[in-house]
Amino acid sequence: GENVEQHPSTLSVQEGDSAVIKCTYSDSASNYFPWYKQELGKRPQLIIDIRSNVGEKKDQRIAVTLNKTAKHFSLHITETQPEDSAVYFCAASRYSSASKIIFGSGTRLSIRP
Amino acid sequence: SAVISQKPSRDICQRGTSLTIQCQVDSQVTMMFWYRQQPGQSLTLIATANQGSEATYESGFVIDKFPISRPNLTFSTLTVSNMSPEDSSIYLCSVGRTGEVYEQYFGPGTRLTVT
Repeated sequence: GENVEQHPSTLSVQEGDSAVIKCTYSDSASNYFPWYKQELGKRPQLIIDIRSNVGEKKDQRIAVTLNKTAKHFSLHITETQPEDSAVYFCAASRYSSASKIIFGSGTRLSIRP
Repeated sequence: SAVISQKPSRDICQRGTSLTIQCQVDSQVTMMFWYRQQPGQSLTLIATANQGSEATYESGFVIDKFPISRPNLTFSTLTVSNMSPEDSSIYLCSVGRTGEVYEQYFGPGTRLTVT
């Protein structure tokens, strides 16, 4: 069945440095890739997404890249700040049919002051 | 994005009992889903709540254990039946719209503890 693998499971970076989280997906028909941020005790929040017709998307300090051939996509956070500390989930879906979203296992990001 | 509310926000229940969780959205949405998130884990889809018809369950989840209702486009319920301690988890509903833009948003979750 469909599967999304996410690495690393934990990541600690110095404040101001960059963080990169990588995911791979198995369903070649997937064409929608959202990223969610979940702070402790809170609901997952959609922070950015990318569709298969583009290779990169940026929103301020956050960027996502997609390599459809390799079935890889990544989240890049630059100039990290303490409020970036959270668990991040990647996911994949076939948005054109409003299909279910398959989530990765999550990355716990800690920002060291 | 839609405003999503869930009731109750948390509950402590005895084994063998059932709990019904409600999810309310402030606008009509095409898709509603129910997820389970065990402590420190990712989100696992339980089922897709279909308006006016039976829910579509994922592998490992059955209607007798997790009956779902969706009487209209803004409301759904999930019942956790005959609970055991293994059902202790956070249950979240999520909503999405089909069409040109498809994004999915989560409710605040219901923290269930079974003793």
